[in-house]
Amino acid sequence: DIQMTQSPSSLSASVGDRVTITCRASQGIRNDLGWYQQKPGKAPKRLIYAASSLQSGVPSRFSGSGSGTEFTLTISSLQPEDFATYYCLQHNSYPHTFGQGTKLEIK
Amino acid sequence: EVQLVESGGGLVKPGGSLRLSCAASGFTFSSYSMNWVRQAPGKGLEWVSSISSSSSYIYYADSVKGRFTISRDNAKNSLYLQMNSLRAEDTAVYYCARAHYDSSGYYPDYWGQGTLVTVSS
Repeated sequence: DIQMTQSPSSLSASVGDRVTITCRASQGIRNDLGWYQQKPGKAPKRLIYAASSLQSGVPSRFSGSGSGTEFTLTISSLQPEDFATYYCLQHNSYPHTFGQGTKLEIK
Repeated sequence: EVQLVESGGGLVKPGGSLRLSCAASGFTFSSYSMNWVRQAPGKGLEWVSSISSSSSYIYYADSVKGRFTISRDNAKNSLYLQMNSLRAEDTAVYYCARAHYDSSGYYPDYWGQGTLVTVSS
């Protein structure tokens, strides 16, 4: 099974900051990775697919990069509505696996 | 508008069974693979199971293999998860999610709001 190691597990930042979240796969997964945002009590929402493609309707301050085993999600200028938990998901092979999540909190 | 509505959650004793349903609308259900994903209270997301559009391909997480059965009824636009031999560690919100397909494979795009399963004596 492919393990996804996501870091950091939590992050404290201010509005306007640039933040980066990383996911590392235990083996190569090409670009078969997505990023999801989840707010308390809500279902996850897809932000990025195919590692770097922005889901329609998602603000351009979100971006993804990487291929193979290392991937990043970057938020260029944090807005108040961005404080949430973020997950990566590898869907290269079954079982699909999520990263442990990164909780982004207001400093 | 794509809508996924889960139902069937509730309180069940360890060793008991429960059947979850997901009613789909707003898209051609029979053309899409579907997923179940769960989230234990205060924990992260865990992929549980996937089923292809015609039910030809089915996959499970090791944690539920042999106890859970995913199925679908394309005539009723419905997805199901039969959960047997339930354990305390199965306590979670269970989400139904549609699987989008592109060059990077199958992955969840639309999600339901979830249904809570609590396994406790």
